[in-house]
Amino acid sequence: GESVGLHLPTLSVQEGDNSIINCAYSNSASDYFIWYKQESGKGPQFIIDIRSNMDKRQGQRVTVLLNKTVKHLSLQIAATQPGDSAVYFCAENRSGGYQKVTFGTGTKLQVIP
Amino acid sequence: GAGVSQSPSNKVTEKGKDVELRCDPISGHTALYWYRQSLGQGLEFLIYFQGNSAPDKSGLPSDRFSAERTGGSVSTLTIQRTQQEDSAVYLCASSLALATETQYFGPGTRLLVL
Repeated sequence: GESVGLHLPTLSVQEGDNSIINCAYSNSASDYFIWYKQESGKGPQFIIDIRSNMDKRQGQRVTVLLNKTVKHLSLQIAATQPGDSAVYFCAENRSGGYQKVTFGTGTKLQVIP
Repeated sequence: GAGVSQSPSNKVTEKGKDVELRCDPISGHTALYWYRQSLGQGLEFLIYFQGNSAPDKSGLPSDRFSAERTGGSVSTLTIQRTQQEDSAVYLCASSLALATETQYFGPGTRLLVL
């Protein structure tokens, strides 16, 4: 069946270092991927997305990499800051018609000052 | 404009009682989702509304759960005869149209069933 999962449930990173959060997906038909950030007590917020015709997309301090060969997605955060501490979810979807988005389990990022 | 709003923000109820959770999506968003999130866990899909199409109810955990969306805008999630395992944060999200559009989440309703 379809699944989206994360390799690491918790990631601790020193402030100023780069963070890499990984995600695996199993549905080869998925062609749209999203990363969300959820701070404590709040709903998830969109960070960045990528479509399957791309293998890299950059935002402000964040980069998403997509490897369709191994069905792997990663989120890179440059110069991690305390405000980056949150749970990060990857999500995948298949375009065409009204498809619902499937969320992964989530990775908790802890930034050590 | 205003984001997705949910009410109440917190709800404490007794086992066996019914509860109603409300979601006001962003104006103009035709897609609306309900998710459940237990403490420290991921998002569990519950139900998905898209325009006037029949909702996707495949995530509802039991027949005690139901949801409506009136006039293509406000949605209500109803949980009948609540159980302690229903305790969770219930999140609502909306998006412009297709599921490939960015979802905007509300702050959630924290439900505690005693």
